[in-house]
Amino acid sequence: GIQVEQSPPDLILQEGANSTLRCNFSDSVNNLQWFHQNPWGQLINLFYIPSGTKQNGRLSATTVATERYSLLYISSSQTTDSGVYFCAVERGNYQLIWGAGTKLIIKP
Amino acid sequence: NAGVTQTPKFRVLKTGQSMTLLCAQDMNHEYMYWYRQDPGMGLRLIHYSVGEGTTAKGEVPDGYNVSRLKKQNFLLGLESAAPSQTSVYFCASSYPPSRSSYNEQFFGPGTRLTVL
Repeated sequence: GIQVEQSPPDLILQEGANSTLRCNFSDSVNNLQWFHQNPWGQLINLFYIPSGTKQNGRLSATTVATERYSLLYISSSQTTDSGVYFCAVERGNYQLIWGAGTKLIIKP
Repeated sequence: NAGVTQTPKFRVLKTGQSMTLLCAQDMNHEYMYWYRQDPGMGLRLIHYSVGEGTTAKGEVPDGYNVSRLKKQNFLLGLESAAPSQTSVYFCASSYPPSRSSYNEQFFGPGTRLTVL
């Protein structure tokens, strides 16, 4: 089956720093989404981005489908950005396949 | 508008006991899903439903059963709980995907289940 790999597994930054999270996938996919799981466990959908670039405030994402990777950029990090960031891809039958996540800690 | 809610939030079972997790959504979504999340991993799909009265197996269906008797509810059952089923369970719902939209899934807060 399709494999989804995220890097780095852990990231610790000072408030105000920028970061780049990566998602590699092993086969062509229909869709790709980025999620944030906050420290209380709630999952929030950040981006639907099967290709191209999107921006939402301090967050932006780019997917290069032909090279099978996606990047999530976080600028001017805030402590509220802490949590786990997941990449998930859809292979059909509405099934999302998830990566293991990147755990981000923003220190004040 | 509560979105997706899950009951209960926490539960401790003994091996062999049974229980049912309830998911409810008030967004009139056709599709509903049950996932499990284990430490250090992403979510894995257990079962899903594309409409009232329909269910289908996901990636890790063994040991679980589901029912979708009403559009707004999706039940996940464990007939004989095992320690390997200790996990956090998430329910999600979505509209049907179409050519101009995508399968954006909205998630409940999760149920933390421990099987001793």
